[in-house]
Amino acid sequence: DSGVTQTPKHLITATGQRVTLRCSPRSGDLSVYWYQQSLDQGLQFLIQYYNGEERAKGNILERFSAQQFPDLHSELNLSSLELGDSALYFCASSEAARGANVLTFGAGSRLTVL
Amino acid sequence: GEDVEQSLFLSVREGDSSVINCTYTDSSSTYLYWYKQEPGAGLQLLTYIFSNMDMKQDQRLTVLLNKKDKHLSLRIADTQTGDSAIYFCAEVTPSMDSSYKLIFGSGTRLLVRP
Repeated sequence: DSGVTQTPKHLITATGQRVTLRCSPRSGDLSVYWYQQSLDQGLQFLIQYYNGEERAKGNILERFSAQQFPDLHSELNLSSLELGDSALYFCASSEAARGANVLTFGAGSRLTVL
Repeated sequence: GEDVEQSLFLSVREGDSSVINCTYTDSSSTYLYWYKQEPGAGLQLLTYIFSNMDMKQDQRLTVLLNKKDKHLSLRIADTQTGDSAIYFCAEVTPSMDSSYKLIFGSGTRLLVRP
């Protein structure tokens, strides 16, 4: 157990739907990162939050949004889902926003869009 | 620009050494990492190296960094079947807005044959 908790582990939904993925960071970590892992795109950085504020943005689609709450858990919202959004979504956390930036990853949420 | 490249596949015999290679393009990278992903699991940090170092050794793992050629390698001595996994190289790059992003390579699938 890495200390980073992601729910749900698996999710199957239909095109056009909206889902929310949840992440609880490791105790003491202030930064949360979201990554998308698909077969054809590899591991893509989506977005980073630090202590409730957005710190860095990667290849996140406009249909996707995220936030980090005061208790430091984070949610990734995916809307108007398309088949190509099927992927493994990882959350990671770290103590700081920069520097050595050692990330601890959760086990991932596998999203299947039918 | 940010780009991290790795070969996709490596097969070695149990007991041999494995060498996984990675090239990156961003010369301002500060830290470089090796992560391991076992089937159905998240990414686990193996080791990292600061950009002003040439080598780092940690038990069976040796990381070599050639900053001039922007080349990073991970050597696993006495490779075991439990080392079979996907290995990701990653770099931290500072962005224009002073944030830091962790950019991953596509991963190298290591298969250890008995």
